[in-house]
Amino acid sequence: EAGVVQSPRYKIIEKKQPVAFWCNPISGHNTLYWYRQNLGQGPELLIRYENEEAVDDSQLPKDRFSAERLKGVDSTLKIQPAELGDSAVYLCASSPKGGRGAGELFFGEGSRLTVL
Amino acid sequence: GNSVTQMEGPVTLSEEAFLTINCTYTATGYPSLFWYVQYPGEGLQLLLKATKADDKGSNKGFEATYRKETTSFHLEKGSVQVSDSAVYFCALGGATNKLIFGTGTLLAVQP
Repeated sequence: EAGVVQSPRYKIIEKKQPVAFWCNPISGHNTLYWYRQNLGQGPELLIRYENEEAVDDSQLPKDRFSAERLKGVDSTLKIQPAELGDSAVYLCASSPKGGRGAGELFFGEGSRLTVL
Repeated sequence: GNSVTQMEGPVTLSEEAFLTINCTYTATGYPSLFWYVQYPGEGLQLLLKATKADDKGSNKGFEATYRKETTSFHLEKGSVQVSDSAVYFCALGGATNKLIFGTGTLLAVQP
């Protein structure tokens, strides 16, 4: 079974440029997450989807970040314009079931963003 | 709000040493608790979990017991190997199906 696929693995851009990350979750997983992991820190949730619906985007900086999950499968996370503080690893994860205490998230390898 | 506190690393051990990585949590309700591991160059993966008080999660020789009275979920292994070198994250899952992670603990095992 294929795992969560993310691209690109690495991205270096100058500040004020746009950037987009793509995620393909495990087939059949209806819950998809985007997390951000700063250096030396644990992952922090940006947004969670149940199928096509964003059910938790309270931590997403909506002035510059946007996300979509068309057709409830693949997802794209966009930053426009990027700032120096956006340098981090962006992690996508998926889960086969929602509800309380599921917690068995399957993570991709992440997309490491460096903003110069 | 809910939160997780992990012991800071790095933790450096010799092969076959005993490992403990402390994790305590603050939560309302009855969360599930998890340990995730990130090996060098790989994505995060679930190591073990416990869904209710007094449950013991175990996998690959690692164990952790959900202690409600001390709000703890410490990770232990009796004899570490070089291949256990990784970053370990304690995490808490609540009713919203959102995982809250600790800051991670780097474990380095020397031969």
